[in-house]
Amino acid sequence: DAMVIQNPRYQVTQFGKPVTLSCSQTLNHNVMYWYQQKSSQAPKLLFHYYDKDFNNEADTPDNFQSRRPNTSFCFLDIRSPGLGDAAMYLCATSETLGLNTQYFGPGTRLTVL
Amino acid sequence: SQQGEEDPQALSIQEGENATMNCSYKTSINNLQWYRQNSGRGLVHLILIRSNEREKHSGRLRVTLDTSKKSSSLLITASRAADTASYFCATDWNNDMRFGAGTRLTVKP
Repeated sequence: DAMVIQNPRYQVTQFGKPVTLSCSQTLNHNVMYWYQQKSSQAPKLLFHYYDKDFNNEADTPDNFQSRRPNTSFCFLDIRSPGLGDAAMYLCATSETLGLNTQYFGPGTRLTVL
Repeated sequence: SQQGEEDPQALSIQEGENATMNCSYKTSINNLQWYRQNSGRGLVHLILIRSNEREKHSGRLRVTLDTSKKSSSLLITASRAADTASYFCATDWNNDMRFGAGTRLTVKP
């Protein structure tokens, strides 16, 4: 089945230790998104790729970076995780922008010790 | 802010009852979507309603949109325990989609 896959499902890192979260998709969608979701809050868009074009949200900290080496994969790099970065990180895809139904992965729960 | 705001924040009902959740927003929209999120999981798309539509149905789901009041409602009829989840509205304006904080629905068996 076509889907959005996130690995790992649970990630524990230490304060200040770089961490990379992975997302892959078999939908062949043009757009890939990364969201941060804290407990009982709305998913907050960090950035998205439309094909190879990177679009960063204005309030996304520089500590968060992303890479999309090909259509199928997108990575979220947190260069120096702080305690406040502990959250669920959701990857999503959409075929295009506009009328963009998004398909979400199961998320990666990040714990920062 | 374009972001939708759901009301109520939490809703608890008995199985078989109907559940109504509301979403209000402040700016223009191209479309509005509703998503469901089970605890600790990703979001699942439920229904999309365009700005020129007033009502849409999908199975036990009914969504209405009133652009004059900048509000939408999601009705789940004959609720089931499996409907227990958080429900989010998401507003889309010029390719910019924003989620509200969600309504936490609990359906008691």
